Amino acid sequence: SQQGEEDPQALSIQEGENATMNCSYKTSINNLQWYRQNSGRGLVHLILIRSNEREKHSGRLRVTLDTSKKSSSLLITASRAADTASYFCATGNYTGANSKLTFGKGITLSVRP
Amino acid sequence: DAGVIQSPRHEVTEMGQEVTLRCKPISGHNSLFWYRQTMMRGLELLIYFNNNVPIDDSGMPEDRFSAKMPNASFSTLKIQPSEPRDSAVYFCASSFLHGGQGMGQPQHFGDGTRLSIL
Repeated sequence: SQQGEEDPQALSIQEGENATMNCSYKTSINNLQWYRQNSGRGLVHLILIRSNEREKHSGRLRVTLDTSKKSSSLLITASRAADTASYFCATGNYTGANSKLTFGKGITLSVRP
Repeated sequence: DAGVIQSPRHEVTEMGQEVTLRCKPISGHNSLFWYRQTMMRGLELLIYFNNNVPIDDSGMPEDRFSAKMPNASFSTLKIQPSEPRDSAVYFCASSFLHGGQGMGQPQHFGDGTRLSIL
């Protein structure tokens, strides 16, 4: 079953605008990660935020985590056509020796030049 | 640095045939993951290994699927016999996990094998 669910499912914006994508999850987590997938390629890790962190930045990316609401958001500022891709959130819940991620179904982002 | 290498990139075969997918993880990584991606079900974890030992295979669909990791630099996912519903993109990913402390690390994905069963 899916742990993370992204919202919206698809997003289309103009180059230069900001893109905000949301992720909600159901059970407690150790960390939450965001990945990007370009068409025909594997997923690429973007950013990881731990359960005791509230906000993290990496270049044009800003991720927030609200564990009380079980939600996260990914903000891409000043979007570029090259940001066109699918974006996935993945939740990490580690129990003993079992360390795995559960991925959502992804958000398709289209950035129009 | 070489990333995760998967082969073949594409595989088209007839129902009933045996299919073997291969993966070479990033050198130094101690965990390896096999995923399946379809439009309907998204990205599903099939099995993962830590230090070459299978830790969680609860995502393996049925006995037709098997996975091995004979050493730290190679893993295979085998489907025998294959069925049309196995058609999907299969990804291998690797990571370095710190001794079950729950630290979590990013996973590095290969570019996948696109499998079509006719």
